[in-house]
Amino acid sequence: AQSVTQLDSQVPVFEEAPVELRCNYSSSVSVYLFWYVQYPNQGLQLLLKYLSGSTLVKGINGFEAEFNKSQTSFHLRKPSVHISDTAEYFCAVRPAGGTSYGKLTFGQGTILTVHP
Amino acid sequence: GAVVSQHPSRVICKSGTSVKIECRSLDFQATTMFWYRQFPKQSLMLMATSNEGSKATYEQGVEKDKFLINHASLTLSTLTVTSAHPEDSSFYICSATGAKNYGYTFGSGTRLTVV
Repeated sequence: AQSVTQLDSQVPVFEEAPVELRCNYSSSVSVYLFWYVQYPNQGLQLLLKYLSGSTLVKGINGFEAEFNKSQTSFHLRKPSVHISDTAEYFCAVRPAGGTSYGKLTFGQGTILTVHP
Repeated sequence: GAVVSQHPSRVICKSGTSVKIECRSLDFQATTMFWYRQFPKQSLMLMATSNEGSKATYEQGVEKDKFLINHASLTLSTLTVTSAHPEDSSFYICSATGAKNYGYTFGSGTRLTVV
């Protein structure tokens, strides 16, 4: 089984400042990792994913994340945030390999609020 | 890119009635659909997983007779909340994945309010 811990439930930040949203996971097997963004009353949109290869993953909207196997972390970063980045962010994992329909396990979510 | 259309976006129903929520994959074949429930300010809770043409697999604690899932085709899955009660009020989200899609495309969600 897998578990995901997002260490911060809320992260306030000023516009144009950098931000890091932290995610740690626990798993007895190799995993694929994902970050999703959810705007109010909407579904989830994929920001980026790590399946294999380079541990630094670049996603949409200027976000990137780094997979650290030894620390079992997959922190999300953006060097300069915009007001429009205000949303809730979810980290998720699933077992690597196998079929394409492995179940995702989500973290509790981090609400990012960007202030002008 | 992959798109999943979920309808309705909002629905209000009376206690005791049934509500059907549809999810359609518009540009890919959704071999697997996941249905989630999300309470306010909480994460997504997986309710069930369905593969096209097969019976859904429900997570522990989810009543399969109350939350009926049908995945009769590769582009359509439905969730029917039967005999809805106020405690069923929630945000329901579907997610679909195809044969080679590890991205899990999500629908836009359905806000169900039972009065």
